[in-house]
Amino acid sequence: GDSVTQMEGPVTLSEEAFLTINCTYTATGYPSLFWYVQYPGEGLQLLLKATKADDKGSNKGFEATYRKETTSFHLEKGSVQVSDSAVYFCALSEKAAGNKLTFGGGTRVLVKP
Amino acid sequence: SQTIHQWPATLVQPVGSPLSLECTVEGTSNPNLYWYRQAAGRGLQLLFYSVGIGQISSEVPQNLSASRPQDRQFILSSKKLLLSDSGFYLCAWTSNLGSNQPQHFGDGTRLSIL
Repeated sequence: GDSVTQMEGPVTLSEEAFLTINCTYTATGYPSLFWYVQYPGEGLQLLLKATKADDKGSNKGFEATYRKETTSFHLEKGSVQVSDSAVYFCALSEKAAGNKLTFGGGTRVLVKP
Repeated sequence: SQTIHQWPATLVQPVGSPLSLECTVEGTSNPNLYWYRQAAGRGLQLLFYSVGIGQISSEVPQNLSASRPQDRQFILSSKKLLLSDSGFYLCAWTSNLGSNQPQHFGDGTRLSIL
């Protein structure tokens, strides 16, 4: 079945540091890929998405490129802020019943001033 | 615009008591609906999803059930809660148009079982 693997946290950074969160996937078909963010005590928010190979999703300074050859969708941000402290989830959905999402385990990011 | 509402936001229940969590979506028709559970410090587990009224698919065997009595209403229930039912429950919806639609999440219900 489908699966998503992302680096375990927590990841602790200083403000303005470069952030990378690795995400790789296995899928039987041609999935769409997503990054979601969960701020403390809140639900999940869609951060960005990519629906085909070489697509780059971007939002709020975050970027991720759909790499079919390496089955990866790594999240990057060039200069993090304290407000970026959150849990980040990589996910995929396939053209199966109901657009079900398969999530990675989440990566907690803590940005210190 | 579309919105999703979940309630209650927080719930403390004794073991063996019943449960009913409600989720409603506004501003869209015939959405796909989902219930997830997030255990403390862990990822999300899909519990149920629904592609239409009265259509429920269960992803994992458990103590919970789901119902969809109306197009934009999704209810998570239990007759007798267990300690292991504690967690953060999230409802989500997505458009049923195409396979690339993102899911949109509610703010969640934090359930503590005593």
